[in-house]
Amino acid sequence: EDQVTQSPEALRLQEGESSSLNCSYTVSGLRGLFWYRQDPGKGPEFLFTLYSAGEEKEKERLKATLTKKESFLHITAPKPEDSATYLCAVQARGDYKLSFGAGTTVTVRA
Amino acid sequence: EPEVTQTPSHQVTQMGQEVILRCVPISNHLYFYWYRQILGQKVEFLVSFYNNEISEKSEIFDDQFSVERPDGSNFTLKIRSTKLEDSAMYFCASRPDRGNEKLFFGSGTQLSVL
Repeated sequence: EDQVTQSPEALRLQEGESSSLNCSYTVSGLRGLFWYRQDPGKGPEFLFTLYSAGEEKEKERLKATLTKKESFLHITAPKPEDSATYLCAVQARGDYKLSFGAGTTVTVRA
Repeated sequence: EPEVTQTPSHQVTQMGQEVILRCVPISNHLYFYWYRQILGQKVEFLVSFYNNEISEKSEIFDDQFSVERPDGSNFTLKIRSTKLEDSAMYFCASRPDRGNEKLFFGSGTQLSVL
């Protein structure tokens, strides 16, 4: 069974204070690893897909990286609007579904 | 930007009643999904649907659940006899084709079973 573990559960940052979120995974043949952002009461919003170890993707203040066992989401100089829950999910080869982690809730104080 | 639309946003029902949750996926998408999220827990996969049939389902998706694409635009999730533990946020999602794994989620239907 696919397993996704995210840490920390919660992260409180000062505006401008860079940090990283971790996603450890076990999957029988990785098709893709996904990062989503979820605001309260809303559905997950797609951020990145990573397919192979060594791959990196960037979007504004966010950068996602992938190794064979984990992925990191780096938040550089965060702003209050980056406050959200960040979800990691994996898709195994041959599967249609995504298996999600429990998420990291990020709060950025001005 | 096109989006997945779900109705209603909130649904309150009595235990044992049937509910139908409705979704309009993005128009040119071919793969459709239902996920749910119990308060404070992970987003959980329920079912995927492609080419007018279920392509994958989880253990949660038992005989009490069914999905249907009754016309070219709607995608529904029916729970035949609701239980207290069915209370959750239900998300519909869709994606374009086999080569594009990016899932677009709706804003969800909050189901409360009393």
